[in-house]
Amino acid sequence: DTEVTQTPKHLVMGMTNKKSLKCEQHMGHRAMYWYKQKAKKPPELMFVYSYEKLSINESVPSRFSPECPNSSLLNLHLHALQPEDSALYLCASSPGQGVGAYEQYFGPGTRLTVT
Amino acid sequence: AQKVTQAQTEISVVEKEDVTLDCVYETRDTTYYLFWYKQPPSGELVFLIRRNSFDEQNEISGRYSWNFQKSTSSFNFTITASQVVDSAVYFCALRLEYGNKLVFGAGTILRVKS
Repeated sequence: DTEVTQTPKHLVMGMTNKKSLKCEQHMGHRAMYWYKQKAKKPPELMFVYSYEKLSINESVPSRFSPECPNSSLLNLHLHALQPEDSALYLCASSPGQGVGAYEQYFGPGTRLTVT
Repeated sequence: AQKVTQAQTEISVVEKEDVTLDCVYETRDTTYYLFWYKQPPSGELVFLIRRNSFDEQNEISGRYSWNFQKSTSSFNFTITASQVVDSAVYFCALRLEYGNKLVFGAGTILRVKS
């Protein structure tokens, strides 16, 4: 089973709202990722968690706050977003991290609209 | 620096035609990994294949085949007898041996018409 689940599927929020995106995997993967994808563009890496610790932050604004409560869950807390943050947010996981041959498995994404 | 180029922005074919999606990569590292992902309109990126830099064997999986050539830094993807369900955006990506980061190409939109 190579399934990564994400909730919600769609989210509309105002610029003053606080919301969270959730991601879950039960494949025993030790690395989890958040990506942002704008229309007609490839995904852009935001954060990487390795063994539940933040290992990469690609200079993402602080209005995005990741959290990894356990090895299966990954959250992305959103606060005071801007309309340009509207995008598809993808979660991924991988069996390996850092060195070696492995692939990332992606979830279906959350389509976020900031009004 | 690493770079992946997918020069074909969009390709349209008629069902049952064969189609090849091109991918050219740049890296100075000797060990790296190449990937193809499919993104249908639903949005999920579906993993198709990983190829290690030290394994130049071509691969066939059903209607899909991949041609990896280190001499030309290319990792091309061919769909034989295309079907409407193959319509999607296809991304080629590169990852170095050390690191988590995938470097994606810009993607190729494939439209298969019935």
